Amino acid sequence: DTGVSQDPRHKITKRGQNVTFRCDPISEHNRLYWYRQTLGQGPEFLTYFQNEAQLEKSRLLSDRFSAERPKGSFSTLEIQRTEQGDSAMYLCASSLGDRGSDTEAFFGQGTRLTVV
Amino acid sequence: AQSVTQLDSQVPVFEEAPVELRCNYSSSVSVYLFWYVQYPNQGLQLLLKYLSGSTLVKGINGFEAEFNKSQTSFHLRKPSVHISDTAEYFCAVSDQGNTGTASKLTFGTGTRLQVTL
Repeated sequence: DTGVSQDPRHKITKRGQNVTFRCDPISEHNRLYWYRQTLGQGPEFLTYFQNEAQLEKSRLLSDRFSAERPKGSFSTLEIQRTEQGDSAMYLCASSLGDRGSDTEAFFGQGTRLTVV
Repeated sequence: AQSVTQLDSQVPVFEEAPVELRCNYSSSVSVYLFWYVQYPNQGLQLLLKYLSGSTLVKGINGFEAEFNKSQTSFHLRKPSVHISDTAEYFCAVSDQGNTGTASKLTFGTGTRLQVTL
């Protein structure tokens, strides 16, 4: 297994456009997390899934943001009507969840979004 | 609610010198504690974690950390740093959940470790 995979690695978009990011977790991991990281800050939690169920959403996740995890495998994060303040690194992580001793999240390399 | 404070935004150090990166946390419930490292334009890699038991935890790349419950601290140390240790280091906490599994992470703002010759 090659770890958590995110696509694309970089995205430049014009303000007002919609963007979608994809995350493929480690196989057998049933928890999947999305975080956002801005320059000079630590990652901030956005949302997480247990299998296909979205169990928690941060208040940071405005109604322009939507995440899905159909069939409990890969996940997508969509941002509608992007704003310059959405420019950040979007990180995905996965963990075993209830399948075992789940005490570690594995992170992907992130998608860097630049809104111009 | 939980929070993490990393007291130093930048730590410059010479190669082969010892280093300590400080981390304090607050939480009303029992937590797990983590240190992650991030290299430029990369995701986060786990250095070490404290779950229970011995308060001194050893991780990868020669790093170790000590959990101090009374001071709510989890400082990261390395006795002799290398140029390749130059990176951003993040302390994080997670509550233990109902079944003992870790959940979402709350991160500090990070400490930039800059190692020079």
